[in-house]
Amino acid sequence: GAVVSQHPSRVICKSGTSVKIECRSLDFQATTMFWYRQFPKQSLMLMATSNEGSKATYEQGVEKDKFLINHASLTLSTLTVTSAHPEDSSFYICSARDLGTGPNTEAFFGQGTRLTVV
Amino acid sequence: GQNIDQPTEMTATEGAIVQINCTYQTSGFNGLFWYQQHAGEAPTFLSYNVLDGLEEKGRFSSFLSRSKGYSYLLLKELQMKDSASYLCAVRLWNSGNTPLVFGKGTRLSVIA
Repeated sequence: GAVVSQHPSRVICKSGTSVKIECRSLDFQATTMFWYRQFPKQSLMLMATSNEGSKATYEQGVEKDKFLINHASLTLSTLTVTSAHPEDSSFYICSARDLGTGPNTEAFFGQGTRLTVV
Repeated sequence: GQNIDQPTEMTATEGAIVQINCTYQTSGFNGLFWYQQHAGEAPTFLSYNVLDGLEEKGRFSSFLSRSKGYSYLLLKELQMKDSASYLCAVRLWNSGNTPLVFGKGTRLSVIA
């Protein structure tokens, strides 16, 4: 089945620094990838839709200047948390669909990144 | 806005059957998904319904009634490893750039 790889799995950074998270589709091309955030004991909340070759679409309340998304190729999307603060500490997960297998397909998720800002 | 409701927590006994319900009120509908998520890990796909009825896959079954905006996930012969969160999610439209909208998840505890 399709595989989505996310890196790093865990990162601890100092307040004020930036952190980059990578999401790769390993065996399929993904023109669209999705970035979610999950706080403890909460569900996945969509942050933004990453579109290859164009600007990302952000959900209401998500600061696009703080959460920079780049989708430079058909297999890679990156999320950069800029000037991180402790309240940005969360579990970040990316997902993508393999549209080559048909329209009614499930989304595959990366392993997630546990970000802790100290 | 989109509204997807499921119970917050459930407890069931090893070897038993448990049903996790999900109701949804969304602006569109192109399929309902169930995912399993263990703590600190990414969700893994369990099942998908787009038409009314029951889909069976081993110990897991999922049911959908579009007219009622209702689905359930049925887990049979429960095992301790089934202790996890179960997420109900709706795809609103049939296009490649449509994300899934998730419910808050149901934390299932399987006890001996």
